[in-house]
Amino acid sequence: GAGVSQSPSNKVTEKGKDVELRCDPISGHTALYWYRQSLGQGLEFLIYFQGNSAPDKSGLPSDRFSAERTGGSVSTLTIQRTQQEDSAVYLCASSVLAGGWGTDTQYFGPGTRLTVL
Amino acid sequence: KNEVEQSPQNLTAQEGEFITINCSYSVGISALHWLQQHPGGGIVSLFMLSSGKKKHGRLIATINIQEKHSSLHITASHPRDSAVYICAVRAPNFGNEKLTFGTGTRLTIIP
Repeated sequence: GAGVSQSPSNKVTEKGKDVELRCDPISGHTALYWYRQSLGQGLEFLIYFQGNSAPDKSGLPSDRFSAERTGGSVSTLTIQRTQQEDSAVYLCASSVLAGGWGTDTQYFGPGTRLTVL
Repeated sequence: KNEVEQSPQNLTAQEGEFITINCSYSVGISALHWLQQHPGGGIVSLFMLSSGKKKHGRLIATINIQEKHSSLHITASHPRDSAVYICAVRAPNFGNEKLTFGTGTRLTIIP
């Protein structure tokens, strides 16, 4: 079946502009995660959605970052007034469900490479 | 100090060698993941562990909950195994169900 897809694959923008990144999780997956990987850095958690629960936004680096998940499926990560330090690969992952000791393998999308000039 | 530490940071080995990558973490966890990131950037989830050992092909992952340590082993290594291997833990202390990642081990297998 189809995996996690993300769009666009690459995005170049000017400092100060807003950008939207899209994630289509695997159908039926209730949990959705956003991460970013800056050049030379490890992966960093941004935000987590689980079903209809309030999202865990504890990883968002500033109030310029926000995310929505509509209808429990597609998610959009929005970065307002982009800065050069926002340049990174933004990765989305989904899993069947989260919590406890159950099988919870996360399936990653290919990522969106964001470059802020 | 990172909550999740991996060693070594870089590892170069000859084809056929047995490879071990280590991951240590500092708090109680509900699960530990091993991920593989290829040079093109794609990430593949290799294992999710909560106890004991799992095997898939030439890959073996073990975890010792008491010692807060996990290892990823690769038998009969091959150049196509060259990638960055990332350990990640899921722990309530870090907040809900997010993963906290190690910095990765860059593995290069020379033919």
